[in-house]
This record gives sequence, structure tokens and C-alpha cells, in this order.
Amino acid sequence: DQQVKQNSPSLSVQEGRISILNCDYTNSMFDYFLWYKKYPAEGPTFLISISSIKDKNEDGRFTVFLNKSAKHLSLHIVPSQPGDSAVYFCAAIGEEGAQKLVFGQGTRLTINP
Amino acid sequence: DSGVTQTPKHLITATGQRVTLRCSPRSGDLSVYWYQQSLDQGLQFLIQYYNGEERAKGNILERFSAQQFPDLHSELNLSSLELGDSALYFCASSVVSGHEQYFGPGTRLTVT
Repeated sequence: DQQVKQNSPSLSVQEGRISILNCDYTNSMFDYFLWYKKYPAEGPTFLISISSIKDKNEDGRFTVFLNKSAKHLSLHIVPSQPGDSAVYFCAAIGEEGAQKLVFGQGTRLTINP
Repeated sequence: DSGVTQTPKHLITATGQRVTLRCSPRSGDLSVYWYQQSLDQGLQFLIQYYNGEERAKGNILERFSAQQFPDLHSELNLSSLELGDSALYFCASSVVSGHEQYFGPGTRLTVT
């Protein structure tokens, strides 16, 4: 049962343009959402998070949007840079009071020069 | 560099053996989490410790166990290893349980 889904395994974007990564969830008990970036042979790196009481959180080039009614969140990266090429994971917390992160399968983002 | 350290980086062992993976959390973090990343399952939560006590459990096999020591470092013990246990094992830590978790570089376990 995949409670957090990233339906796009890969995404290719031109350098300088906007990258939009999407994530859907099924469990309405989730109350905190996070995005992680992962390079090969490294651990996931925390990028940005959002609480379920908000609909937007911004940090530099990264903005996360949350649509609770649609159970959907997205990560916007503007402008995209070559160093942004990595696998991005969406994660959720809050199911039945547990602190575990429930991860999506990841989206591989490639930024083309 | 997240501040979370894991040793060893790579581990190759045979089926039936037992191994111990070690994790040191970021300075000041009381919670430690263990995750497994395999090719077909993605990142899966195994277990969480908070200040020495087990706090939450995921789909952790009975052959696996963990503990957190008074100095807050944690060890994940994997026994009676099977080929399917080959995976990346990540440790993460956080200050306040339930919020941002910071991951170590992982231990790649290969069971032959």
C-alpha cells in the first residue's frame, strides 16, 4: 500500500527554467511533509518542509505547495541549476502519531545546460 | 555534511552471518531512526530510538535489532543474513521527534 506516491520516475528541465516535482498521498492523518534530495552514494539531504496548517513554504529557490483537499504537494525549483540534478523524495509524517517518515519512490530530476 | 556519521561505509558478508552497523547522531539530537533502501522497496522505516528508549517500530524483521546507548550512538544488528537483506541502510537523527530528520551517508550491505 503506497501511501505516498511520486508518479513521475524522471523529469528533464532546461537550466534556468522552473522544475516542478509532484507528490500525492492517501492518508489524511499525515500532518507534516518534507522534501529530500539524494545524490548517488550519499544519504538523503533535507531540503524543505511544510506543516499541514500551511499551504506554502518558501526557502530561496525552493517552494513547497500543499493542497490538502487534493492530498497533493509539489516542489518548485526556480531557477533550476545543473547542481539540482538528483533524485528527489517526498516524505510524510504523522500517521497515527508515529514519527517515521513515509517516502515516495522518488523522481530523478535532470537539469540540461 | 549532515553531521550524522555511519560506519562502515561498505560491508560484504555471507548468508547466515551477523553484522553490526553503527550510527552517531548530530550533536544534540536525541532521536535516531534507521531506514532500509532496497531496489524494489524504496526507503523503508525500520525503527526509532529516543534518548535510549525504543519509540516506534516499522517493518523490521525479527532477525534485526537495534539499540541506542547512553552517549546516544545507535547500533543496528542484522543476524542470520539472507541475500534479500542486501541494501543501503541509513541512519537519521532529529532534535524534536516527528520533524526534520538528517541522514547519514549510509552503509551499503552486500550479502553473498
